[in-house]
Amino acid sequence: AQSVTQLDSHVSVSEGTPVLLRCNYSSSYSPSLFWYVQHPNKGLQLLLKYTSAATLVKGINGFEAEFKKSETSFHLTKPSAHMSDAAEYFCVVTIFTGNQFYFGTGTSLTVIP
Amino acid sequence: DGGITQSPKYLFRKEGQNVTLSCEQNLNHDAMYWYRQDPGQGLRLIYYSQIVNDFQKGDIAEGYSVSREKKESFPLTVTSAQKNPTAFYLCASTRTSGGPTDTQYFGPGTRLTVL
Repeated sequence: AQSVTQLDSHVSVSEGTPVLLRCNYSSSYSPSLFWYVQHPNKGLQLLLKYTSAATLVKGINGFEAEFKKSETSFHLTKPSAHMSDAAEYFCVVTIFTGNQFYFGTGTSLTVIP
Repeated sequence: DGGITQSPKYLFRKEGQNVTLSCEQNLNHDAMYWYRQDPGQGLRLIYYSQIVNDFQKGDIAEGYSVSREKKESFPLTVTSAQKNPTAFYLCASTRTSGGPTDTQYFGPGTRLTVL
């Protein structure tokens, strides 16, 4: 069975400080993993994805994530938070045999000026 | 520009009415999906379609219906049987029907409110 756990429902950081949003997954197969960002009343925008190539994945807007199979984690990081990063972030897992996408419950990021 | 459009952006429904949410994509994607989003619950799959004229129930299909008569269109009807339809509805698509590197692309969403 596949599942995703986002370990923090809310994260607050000061502008200019690092961001860490945590995601752990469970998968019976080699997974593909994604991070999406959602601003209020908007659709989800893809930040980055991991599909069994390089374990360190770089995405848009300075975000990156590292796939750690031994820890079943796919944490999202950014060296320096910007006010525009304030949004909801979703970690998603899927496996190659199907088109079922499993979503975490989301992490709300607040950036303090 | 290629993408997914959803209309309307906001929709108000009276109790007992059926309403239809539109989802159109010009990405030439095979598969399309409907999700419901409630605060603190992430996204839950309502229905998905891998090819034209075929669709499958997701985790919360009760009270909803869909059709897939054209590749680019996947409308969702919220029926009066849906007990708590107030939510944000998101449509998505993927290029294929389950490839290893498939990525979901999302529309901007429709917020449905029952009066």
